[in-house]
Amino acid sequence: ETGVTQTPRHLVMGMTNKKSLKCEQHLGHNAMYWYKQSAKKPLELMFVYNFKEQTENNSVPSRFSPECPNSSHLFLHLHTLQPEDSALYLCASSQDDREERAFFGQGTRLTVV
Amino acid sequence: AQKITQTQPGMFVQEKEAVTLDCTYDTSDPSYGLFWYKQPSSGEMIFLIYQGSYDQQNATEGRYSLNFQKARKSANLVISASQLGDSAMYFCAMREVYNFNKFYFGSGTKLNVKP
Repeated sequence: ETGVTQTPRHLVMGMTNKKSLKCEQHLGHNAMYWYKQSAKKPLELMFVYNFKEQTENNSVPSRFSPECPNSSHLFLHLHTLQPEDSALYLCASSQDDREERAFFGQGTRLTVV
Repeated sequence: AQKITQTQPGMFVQEKEAVTLDCTYDTSDPSYGLFWYKQPSSGEMIFLIYQGSYDQQNATEGRYSLNFQKARKSANLVISASQLGDSAMYFCAMREVYNFNKFYFGSGTKLNVKP
């Protein structure tokens, strides 16, 4: 148990569906992150939130829409995805966005069909 | 140019032996941090060890040590006395402090510990 919980663990969705990934941290951290891990590629940072404010959007397509209602919760809303978006989506948190040590969740394995 | 290079896609090690996982990095930022994470088959990324660019001594955490050679821009992870539970993917990562704290990950090394 790392203190960062992601749901669902697995998700299969069609290209016309709308779904959301959820991340919750119980560590009292102020910064939260979404990463994408595709097969045989390094982790790609997608979004950074610090004190509920988005501080980084790493050129992510608009079909991915993050939401951070409070410092403990982070969502990634998905719509009209493509098969190449199939990947492991990892959420992480840290004390703030300058903190080196980040704690990761177990990820959501997303398959777009 | 790649920021983090891990040249070993897969490694085998005998249980109880030591193993070194290679990592080289590329940065012009004077202040940066180097990390190693372990990712078991369950998916979560587990923080193992951290080395700051200004740290004089190599970082150690239990059976993990980081062989930091700043001039060569390498940050190899050494795991002593390998255990079967060490079988996992291992990722080297770097954070550039003056580059908006961007975080870069390598492509990973799959470590298999043989009984």
